[in-house]
Amino acid sequence: ELKVEQNPLFLSMQEGKNYTIYCNYSTTSDRLYWYRQDPGKSLESLFVLLSNGAVKQEGRLMASLDTKARLSTLHITAAVHDLSATYFCAVEGAETSYDKVIFGPGTSLSVIP
Amino acid sequence: DTEVTQTPKHLVMGMTNKKSLKCEQHMGHRAMYWYKQKAKKPPELMFVYSYEKLSINESVPSRFSPECPNSSLLNLHLHALQPEDSALYLCASSSPPGRLLSGANVLTFGAGSRLTVL
Repeated sequence: ELKVEQNPLFLSMQEGKNYTIYCNYSTTSDRLYWYRQDPGKSLESLFVLLSNGAVKQEGRLMASLDTKARLSTLHITAAVHDLSATYFCAVEGAETSYDKVIFGPGTSLSVIP
Repeated sequence: DTEVTQTPKHLVMGMTNKKSLKCEQHMGHRAMYWYKQKAKKPPELMFVYSYEKLSINESVPSRFSPECPNSSLLNLHLHALQPEDSALYLCASSSPPGRLLSGANVLTFGAGSRLTVL
């Protein structure tokens, strides 16, 4: 069974600081996704990582994928309050017979002034 | 049109009621999904309708039943629900490239239907 873990689950950080969120998954997969969810809202796609060594950047967020370690990271640079949200990584299991995207538990990020 | 539309946005129902949640997309996506999300938890996959084939998460109780009238609609019929079924129900759609093809299966989510069962 595909399992997806994230740490930390809760993160409170000051504006201007850097931090990394980690996502580990239990099975072979070459498709990893990061989503953002604001409180009371739906999810929106942030990054798609499709191969070992893939790196994507958007503003203050950078995501990377190491398929051999089954690890993805989401790095936050010089955090600002607008980044406060819950961040989910999601993985598609390579062995499933249908398109099953499984989400990690989420990291609730709070950026404080 | 790059939206997934869900109706209703809010639904309150008793345990003996029968109701439906509706989801529609006009992006030409070949897969549609229902996820259930409890507060401060990740979305849990309930059903996938992909390339005209329905797949079910076996842990989902039979009081939830999906219906796919056509490739742009995916309904979720609710019957005899329990209070613990109260949650945010999220519909999503995508164009999965399939196992043998490279490419991404990015989900586009609707705004959600918040269900309260009394």
